[in-house]
Amino acid sequence: AQKITQTQPGMFVQEKEAVTLDCTYDTSDQSYGLFWYKQPSSGEMIFLIYQGSYDEQNATEGRYSLNFQKARKSANLVISASQLGDSAMYFCAMSPWRGGNKLTFGTGTQLKVEL
Amino acid sequence: GAVVSQHPSRVICKSGTSVKIECRSLDFQATTMFWYRQFPKQSLMLMATSNEGSKATYEQGVEKDKFLINHASLTLSTLTVTSAHPEDSSFYICSAPWTGGLDTQYFGPGTRLTVL
Repeated sequence: AQKITQTQPGMFVQEKEAVTLDCTYDTSDQSYGLFWYKQPSSGEMIFLIYQGSYDEQNATEGRYSLNFQKARKSANLVISASQLGDSAMYFCAMSPWRGGNKLTFGTGTQLKVEL
Repeated sequence: GAVVSQHPSRVICKSGTSVKIECRSLDFQATTMFWYRQFPKQSLMLMATSNEGSKATYEQGVEKDKFLINHASLTLSTLTVTSAHPEDSSFYICSAPWTGGLDTQYFGPGTRLTVL
């Protein structure tokens, strides 16, 4: 079984600052994928970034980077230069292997970007 | 990029009626689709895996006779909530895995179901 833990129910960040959203996971699988999704108030799930368990380098996508520490089983999301539009719920998720498998989600972190 | 659509986006129905939700992959084929349910201020919980050409696989605790899933083609899966009750009111969202070189799933915009 897989488990995702997000310990920050809510976070505040000033515009243009960087923010780190925490995610830890637990799995007995040797191979797995880690994902971050953004869910604005409209409800849609927006894919942000993916990290494979065998990827040696941390994934980056524009202002998003994933700080992957395999030994600590953590996959924190770093958002640089926060924008007002980044205010949303953020979910960490994992799948056994490759994205085609079903996702297990964490409880989410509500991020609010302030002026 | 890959696009997944859902219809309807919002539905209000009376208790006891059935509601059908469609999930379509618009520019790619999906032999597998996933259906999730999200209650207010909670996370997404997987309900079932929809498989084209075969029966759906349901997660533990999900009533397969209540939540009927049909994967009619490589681009369409439907979820029918039969005899809906107020406790079925939720946000239903589908996803389809994108195999075009990026390991992820793309989600539909979701359907907000309210049962009166």
